[in-house]
Amino acid sequence: NAGVTQTPKFQVLKTGQSMTLQCAQDMNHEYMSWYRQDPGMGLRLIHYSVGAGITDQGEVPNGYNVSRSTTEDFPLRLLSAAPSQTSVYFCASSRDHRGGSIYEQYFGPGTRLTVT
Amino acid sequence: AQSVAQPEDQVNVAEGNPLTVKCTYSVSGNPYLFWYVQYPNRGLQFLLKYITGDNLVKGSYGFEAEFNKSQTSFHLKKPSALVSDSALYFCAVRDGGNRLAFGKGNQVVVIP
Repeated sequence: NAGVTQTPKFQVLKTGQSMTLQCAQDMNHEYMSWYRQDPGMGLRLIHYSVGAGITDQGEVPNGYNVSRSTTEDFPLRLLSAAPSQTSVYFCASSRDHRGGSIYEQYFGPGTRLTVT
Repeated sequence: AQSVAQPEDQVNVAEGNPLTVKCTYSVSGNPYLFWYVQYPNRGLQFLLKYITGDNLVKGSYGFEAEFNKSQTSFHLKKPSALVSDSALYFCAVRDGGNRLAFGKGNQVVVIP
C-alpha cells in the first residue's frame, strides 16, 4: 500500500491565485482530514470528511474548500491565496470511528506552500 | 473543547539517558490520547495511544507513555535515548468524532 499520498510536495503561489492540493489514500479509510502546520502552533484542523459526500469544517476553514466525491480522494482548494496561508499542509486518514472504536490517523508527507 | 499542552519547547538529552516528553490534557469525559513523531521533512507517524485500561501504554520504537488521571498528564518516555530519536513530538487528544487537537510540539535533541 502507498498509504496517504499528497501532491505537489512544494508550491509557490502569488497572492490571489488559486490551486488544489491533492490527497489520496488506498487503505479504504472513511475518515480523511486536512491540517496546516505552522511553527509553534502544532497542527490545526482545516476540514474533515467522514465519508464520500460528507464534509465539515475544522478549526481554521476560512479560505479553503473541500469535496469528497470518492472514498480515496480528498482535495483541498485554496480559493484566493494569501500570504497567511503560507504553511505546510498535511492530509490524514483513518478508519471509521462511528462504531465506537478509536483509531489512529495516518499522515501523508505534506505539501509546503509559499504565498508571495 | 478538548486540549493538550506541551509545556517545553525543546528537550535536550544525552544519548543513553532516559527521555521524557511532557503532555497535560484538558477534557470533558473520557480522554483518548495520542503521541505522534515527526522526523525532518516528513509527515507525522503514530507512536501510541491511550484509550482505557492499563496506565502504561507501550508503543513503537521502544517508546511508552504513562497516563495519570489525577495529574491529567500523558508523558512520553523512553528508557535509553538514541540519536535517531531526535525529532518533533506531538501529543494529541480526540476532540469529538475522529478529530484530533494537537499540542504545539516538542523538539527533542539527543546529544551524542
